[in-house]
Amino acid sequence: DTEVTQTPKHLVMGMTNKKSLKCEQHMGHRAMYWYKQKAKKPPELMFVYSYEKLSINESVPSRFSPECPNSSLLNLHLHALQPEDSALYLCASSQNFGTDTQYFGPGTRLTVL
Amino acid sequence: GENVEQHPSTLSVQEGDSAVIKCTYSDSASNYFPWYKQELGKGPQLIIDIRSNVGEKKDQRIAVTLNKTAKHFSLHITETQPEDSAVYFCAAKGTGAGSYQLTFGKGTKLSVIP
Repeated sequence: DTEVTQTPKHLVMGMTNKKSLKCEQHMGHRAMYWYKQKAKKPPELMFVYSYEKLSINESVPSRFSPECPNSSLLNLHLHALQPEDSALYLCASSQNFGTDTQYFGPGTRLTVL
Repeated sequence: GENVEQHPSTLSVQEGDSAVIKCTYSDSASNYFPWYKQELGKGPQLIIDIRSNVGEKKDQRIAVTLNKTAKHFSLHITETQPEDSAVYFCAAKGTGAGSYQLTFGKGTKLSVIP
């Protein structure tokens, strides 16, 4: 099973709201990733967690706050977002940090009003 | 850093014909090359990948070829079907402690016409 799940599927929020995106995998993978994908563009890496610790932050604004409560779960907390943050947010996982194969979830379509 | 060029950006084929998408990469240290298929409203799905110690890999109607000397790799889809319609992304990745990132091409929108 190579399934990564994400909730919610869609999210609409105002610029003053606080919301969270959730990601889960049960493949025993120890590396988890957040990507942002704008329309007609490839995914862009935001964060990487390895063994539940933040390993990579690709200079992402602090209004995005990742959290890894355990080895199966990854959250992305959102606060004071801008309309330009509207995008598809993808979670992915791989066996270990640096392991080649990454499996993506279905994404959360975020709209910021 | 790595740079991946992908062509064409759009491709239309008749059902049953073959489709070929080509990518070139810049970093000769890259040694892992996955292909992802992304259907509308969904996340990227890994469809096939190849490592630099292999020149070709097949999985049913899909094949990938790699030319390390020329630094290019291609996706071949034979006997295309309407359900093959999607955006396809190639990517490249190196190995080693600093090579955690997949560098993606800009994508190819494939349309299979029934």
